[in-house]
Formats: sequence, structure tokens, C-alpha cells
Amino acid sequence: DGGITQSPKYLFRKEGQNVTLSCEQNLNHDAMYWYRQDPGQGLRLIYYSQIVNDFQKGDIAEGYSVSREKKESFPLTVTSAQKNPTAFYLCASSGTGESYTFGSGTRLTVV
Amino acid sequence: AQSVSQHNHHVILSEAASLELGCNYSYGGTVNLFWYVQYPGQHLQLLLKYFSGDPLVKGIKGFEAEFIKSKFSFNLRKPSVQWSDTAEYFCAGGSQGNLIFGKGTKLSVKP
Repeated sequence: DGGITQSPKYLFRKEGQNVTLSCEQNLNHDAMYWYRQDPGQGLRLIYYSQIVNDFQKGDIAEGYSVSREKKESFPLTVTSAQKNPTAFYLCASSGTGESYTFGSGTRLTVV
Repeated sequence: AQSVSQHNHHVILSEAASLELGCNYSYGGTVNLFWYVQYPGQHLQLLLKYFSGDPLVKGIKGFEAEFIKSKFSFNLRKPSVQWSDTAEYFCAGGSQGNLIFGKGTKLSVKP
């Protein structure tokens, strides 16, 4: 079945550490996205990529980094510069003119 | 600035009641509008979308939405809700790479 796989489902990070969240899709979609979901705030765009080896900052990119070396993969690194990283992170992808398909998310907690 | 706003943070209904969730958008250019649903513990799923054509859009599970250009609105409706409709609903609008989400409306349906 085609879809988006995010791993891990739950992630715990110590303060000062960088962590990387995985997102893989087998939908042959060109565009991929990372959103952060906080209660009462909806989804806010962190980064997006419309093509391999290219990506753009979203509304809340500070403290995050991404790479897009392969069409299928769009990992997100939450760096120690992100002041409030505890959140639910959603990855999505889309084909040209299509709606977004979302992964099941990764819940990151700073301990 | 482009924005999507949802009027209600939390709606509580009894089974068989009618539902209408408000959504207003504020941006120009091509209007692509979506409603997504997130059931407890699950990933976001597309309910329906509007790109062009008939402003009354039918979605899955008996949901529909009407695009009213003069009111910049895209309200979600369902004539008779069920307990299984308990979820969080997100309105979104924009173009690929620039999809903006509302803050979400939690719907609780009492059996």
C-alpha cells in the first residue's frame, strides 16, 4: 500500500540534544512537508520541499533543519536551538495539484 | 496576510443533531480549500476538497461543504452526526507549498 511512514512514533530527547525524525513516502510525490501540531494552534508549517535537493522555510523554521537527498525521504532534525520542541510532528506529501497525504506523526517530548 | 480561521474551538452535539463548522479564508488568487479530520489517535485524513466548479462539495462519510466566494467561507456540514464523528476538524486553504491550516475545531458527539 502506498503511504507515508513516520518514525519513531514516540521520541524522548534530553535538553541540548539534536534529534532526527524520519519521514518516508512511496507515493512518488514530488512535494513533502513538515508541520508541527500544538493543542489549540492547528498545524504550522516548519519546512517544505517541492523537489529533490531543494527546500524552503515555513512559518516556524527556527531551530529546525531538513534535507531532501532522495525523493522518498524528508528527515527533520530538531536542534538544541529549538526552545520549545515538545510537540506532535506531522509529515505530509503531495503530487501536482493533489491534496496532501499525512503520516501518523511523531510525538516528541523533551525530558 | 493569508489566513484561515475556524470559528469554534469545541463543539458538543448529541447524536442525530445537525452540524455546521465555520471556516473563513483570507487570501487572493487561486482558491483551493480543504477539510481534514483527525480521529483520536489517528492521522489526518482528507474529508473533501474544493478546487473549482460546483461550490457544493460532497465528501466522505456524509460530509459536505459549500464555497461561498462573497463571504470568503467554506463551512462544513453534516445533516445528522454520529458518535463516531467525534474528532478534530481542520479547514485548510492555499496552494501547493503554501497550505495554511486553521486552528481546528474539536467535535464531541454524545451518544
